[in-house]
Amino acid sequence: GEDVEQSLFLSVREGDSSVINCTYTDSSSTYLYWYKQEPGAGLQLLTYIFSNMDMKQDQRLTVLLNKKDKHLSLRIADTQTGDSAIYFCAEAETGRRALTFGSGTRLQVQP
Amino acid sequence: EAQVTQNPRYLITVTGKKLTVTCSQNMNHEYMSWYRQDPGLGLRQIYYSMNVEVTDKGDVPEGYKVSRKEKRNFPLILESPSPNQTSLYFCASSLGSGVEQYFGPGTRLTVT
Repeated sequence: GEDVEQSLFLSVREGDSSVINCTYTDSSSTYLYWYKQEPGAGLQLLTYIFSNMDMKQDQRLTVLLNKKDKHLSLRIADTQTGDSAIYFCAEAETGRRALTFGSGTRLQVQP
Repeated sequence: EAQVTQNPRYLITVTGKKLTVTCSQNMNHEYMSWYRQDPGLGLRQIYYSMNVEVTDKGDVPEGYKVSRKEKRNFPLILESPSPNQTSLYFCASSLGSGVEQYFGPGTRLTVT
């Protein structure tokens, strides 16, 4: 079945860039998403990319998609302490009724 | 304000005591679903509904029931909860599958 994998933890210093990586196995994915979960809160959609795109930029966020390697990354420029959270990669397959989530990457931003 | 609400937010119960977690959305979304979140496993879909009276199993439906009698509400029912259903539960809604899903704040359930 579908599988989405992420590293569990990333620590960066405030002001640095953060890069969170994700790999997926399903070649028929149509949309790929990044969600943010702050402590005690639900999931907030940060950004998404359609599978026929290579890159999407939205303010401090840059999403890169390498469809050949099935690799997705989220770059956060000028990382702030408020960016500390768990980040989930998720993919939606054509015709499937659910998102498949990775296990989440905990981003810790050191002041 | 557009939102998905869940109640209760926290619940501690005992094995076998039936419980219901409510979910309501005010965005007139057709698609609603329930996920459970467990450490190291991400979110896994329990059940989903594409519209009123249309529901189907997700990846981990065992031990759960749902109903969709009205468009805005999608309750999750545990007829006989067991300790392995201790988890964090999220309800989500969207205009359709594969598009942006709006998540509720979560319900933390502990079954002893």
